[in-house]
Formats: sequence, structure tokens, C-alpha cells
Amino acid sequence: DGGITQSPKYLFRKEGQNVTLSCEQNLNHDAMYWYRQDPGQGLRLIYYSQIVNDFQKGDIAEGYSVSREKKESFPLTVTSAQKNPTAFYLCASTATDRGMWNTEAFFGQGTRLTVV
Amino acid sequence: DAKTTQPPSMDCAEGRAANLPCNHSTISGNEYVYWYRQIHSQGPQYIIHGLKNNETNEMASLIITEDRKSSTLILPHATLRDTAVYYCTPDGTSYGKLTFGQGTILTVHP
Repeated sequence: DGGITQSPKYLFRKEGQNVTLSCEQNLNHDAMYWYRQDPGQGLRLIYYSQIVNDFQKGDIAEGYSVSREKKESFPLTVTSAQKNPTAFYLCASTATDRGMWNTEAFFGQGTRLTVV
Repeated sequence: DAKTTQPPSMDCAEGRAANLPCNHSTISGNEYVYWYRQIHSQGPQYIIHGLKNNETNEMASLIITEDRKSSTLILPHATLRDTAVYYCTPDGTSYGKLTFGQGTILTVHP
């Protein structure tokens, strides 16, 4: 079955360490996104990518980095520069209709990162 | 970017219709309105979308005002399993930037 997979589901890191969250999709979607969610809050966009080897900053990109070397993969690195990295991280993907409109977004099940 | 406004929370009795409003007064003429819901600690799930006309599927109905500045998601017979956070969002035609607001926490009571 096609879908979007995030791993791991739970991740613990020590303060000051970089950590990379995995996101893989086999839906042949062009666009991929990373969101951060804090308790009781909505989804805030970190980075997004419409095409391989290209990505744009979202609303809260500071302290994060991404790469898009393959269409299927969009890993997110939480760097030591991110002041409050503990959060729930969600990855999503969409197809792009004629390069203009996005279709429905498919989400992974999320990675809960705890930094101690 | 089009912004959306939703009430932070709503309650509904089980078996009754839940009507969730969304204001998207700055939506572009060619942007669809999408609705998603997120059950606690899971990834959001697509519900329905529409452009101008009202839409219905097996999960819900979507009513869009004629001026497209607002919409209402209708869950015709809410169940306890419909308790979730509901998000409306434009489809991100502004160079594919797909953003979400705070959403509405819907609580369905027995």
C-alpha cells in the first residue's frame, strides 16, 4: 500500500546533539512538508519542497535543516541551534496538479522528539 | 497567503450534527478549501475539499458560501470517534506553501 512513513515514532536525544528525522513516501508525490506541533497547538510549517533538490523555508525554519536528494525522501535535521526542539514532528506529501494546485495531503504518523 | 479563522473549540452531542465553521476571507479565486482532522497524537487525515459547490462524501458534507469567504464542515451524525481537531486550509496555490491554522477541537459527548 502507498503511504508516508516516519521513523522512529519516539526519539530521545541529549541537549546539544543534532538529530535527523526520517520521512519516506511511495506515493510518487512531488511535494513534501515538515511541520512541528506543540501540545495543544496547531501545525506550524518548518520546511517544504516542491521538487527534488529544491526546498523553501516555512514559518519556523530556524534551527532546522532539510535535504531533498530523492523524490521519495525528505529528512529533517533538528540542530543544536533549535532552542526548544522537544515537539511532535509531522511529515506530509501532496501531488501537484499541473504544477499549480496541490491535491490532498497525506501525513505520516509523526515522530515525538524529546530532548533532555 | 490565505489565512483561516476557526473557533478554538466546539461541543456536540452524540448522534447530532456537528457544524464546524471556517473563515477564509482572503482565499484566492482558484484555491480549493480542504478539511482535515487529527485524532490525538496521530497524523491529520483528509476529510473533504471543495472549490465553489457544496460537496458530500461518506465522511462529511462541505458547504461553501457563494462569496467563498467561509465554509462549514458538517458531520451529520457525530459519534464519539469524531472527537478530534479539525483544520480547514486553502490548498496552497501560493507556490505550494501548505499551512494550517489552530483548528477547532470538537468534543462529542455521549
